Amino acid sequence: RKEVEQDPGPFNVPEGATVAFNCTYSNSASQSFFWYRQDCRKEPKLLMSVYSSGNEDGRFTAQLNRASQYISLLIRDSKLSDSATYLCVVGMDNYGQNFVFGPGTRLSVLP
Amino acid sequence: SAVISQKPSRDICQRGTSLTIQCQVDSQVTMMFWYRQQPGQSLTLIATANQGSEATYESGFVIDKFPISRPNLTFSTLTVSNMSPEDSSIYLCSVDPWGAGELFFGEGSRLTVL
Repeated sequence: RKEVEQDPGPFNVPEGATVAFNCTYSNSASQSFFWYRQDCRKEPKLLMSVYSSGNEDGRFTAQLNRASQYISLLIRDSKLSDSATYLCVVGMDNYGQNFVFGPGTRLSVLP
Repeated sequence: SAVISQKPSRDICQRGTSLTIQCQVDSQVTMMFWYRQQPGQSLTLIATANQGSEATYESGFVIDKFPISRPNLTFSTLTVSNMSPEDSSIYLCSVDPWGAGELFFGEGSRLTVL
């Protein structure tokens, strides 16, 4: 079983749609959780951290369920500019050397 | 944020040769990370480079194949040695300047081995 798994995608949605991505992780001792965004042929960039209480940043909402070892990302009112690959990242601590990147889920928002 | 300059941005190399990738950060950082992203796949950590000590390699990666230098707190190099077509990939340098889990990446070095 892979350490971090994500919805295989791709997701093709119309502008304005709501889309949700799922991620599961295998190591129950994981301590830190993130969503990164990677545009085509670009480097990954942090989208948001994921806290136990969940967190929201504008149209983006992230949830963590430690019992089920599950992380989600919800995007509301999708924009064309949201088209990218979304990477789920899980760490044993907050130090980058212990991060594991999921395979990513590609989103295309269509006009 | 941290600004990372990485070069070369791309290169085409012959098998059996070696290529050194350079990574320069605009601030001093304790650890620098080298990742590989193979075509259509996610990122895999190759090694962590610490200033003043040998790099720490992840399972499946060895120093003879991927020697790393870290001469100071703002610079590191990764060499891909004795290249084969399987080494064709994007190599990314990364730092976590505040130890808070936010990784900043260089733009990557896209390597094609013929």
